[in-house]
Amino acid sequence: DAGITQSPRHKVTETGTPVTLRCHQTENHRYMYWYRQDPGHGLRLIHYSYGVKDTDKGEVSDGYSVSRSKTEDFLLTLESATSSQTSVYFCAIGTDNSPLHFGNGTRLTVT
Amino acid sequence: SQKIEQNSEALNIQEGKTATLTCNYTNYSPAYLQWYRQDPGRGPVFLLLIRENEKEKRKERLKVTFDTTLKQSLFHITASQPADSATYLCALSSSNTGKLIFGQGTTLQVKP
Repeated sequence: DAGITQSPRHKVTETGTPVTLRCHQTENHRYMYWYRQDPGHGLRLIHYSYGVKDTDKGEVSDGYSVSRSKTEDFLLTLESATSSQTSVYFCAIGTDNSPLHFGNGTRLTVT
Repeated sequence: SQKIEQNSEALNIQEGKTATLTCNYTNYSPAYLQWYRQDPGRGPVFLLLIRENEKEKRKERLKVTFDTTLKQSLFHITASQPADSATYLCALSSSNTGKLIFGQGTTLQVKP
C-alpha cells in the first residue's frame, strides 16, 4: 500500500452534514491526490496537493475542499454532503510522470 | 473533449489463454500511458508505464503496446490464470493539466 492509510474505511452520513476524510502517508511524498470512483465514470480527480499548503482543483472539485498542513496528511472535506457525493474515495501519492500509489479507499454513503 | 474508452463489458476467457484489453483515446496527445489493476474493495495497483516513443513494454506475462497513430493501447496477459481476474484500468496524462485521467476499466474473468 506504499504507506498510505485512509480513514475511515466506511462512513454513512446524512445529507447536509459535514464530512472529513483523511489520508495519511509515511512516504514523505510531495504530491497527494484525492479521486472519487463511481460506476460508469471511473476514477475522477477531485483535488491534489503539491506540497504543504499548496493545493489545486481537479476536474470534479465542486462541493469539496482540501487541506494539507503537514506533508503526511491530506484531508478532504465535504462541507455539506449531498447524495451525489456517495462514492468511493481514493487517496494517492506520486507525481505526474510516475506511477501513482493508492490507498484502499473510503466508501461514503450519503443518505 | 478528451476521452478514454475501455470496453465496459467484462472479458471472460479460459485459463491459459491470452487476454487482450483495449484502451482507446481521443483528443489527447499523452506523453505516456499507464495500466493499473484493481481488485474489489482495494485501490488500483500500478502495473506498467509506456511512453509515447515506446511501441511495446513487457513485464513477465504482461505486455503493453502503444500506438499513437491509432490512439490505442493494448494490454496483454499471456498464459492467464484465475488469479489474474480483476479490473484493469488505463490512464493517460491529460494534455491540459498533466494529471492522470483514468478510463472506466475492463473487468477480466479467467475461468479455470
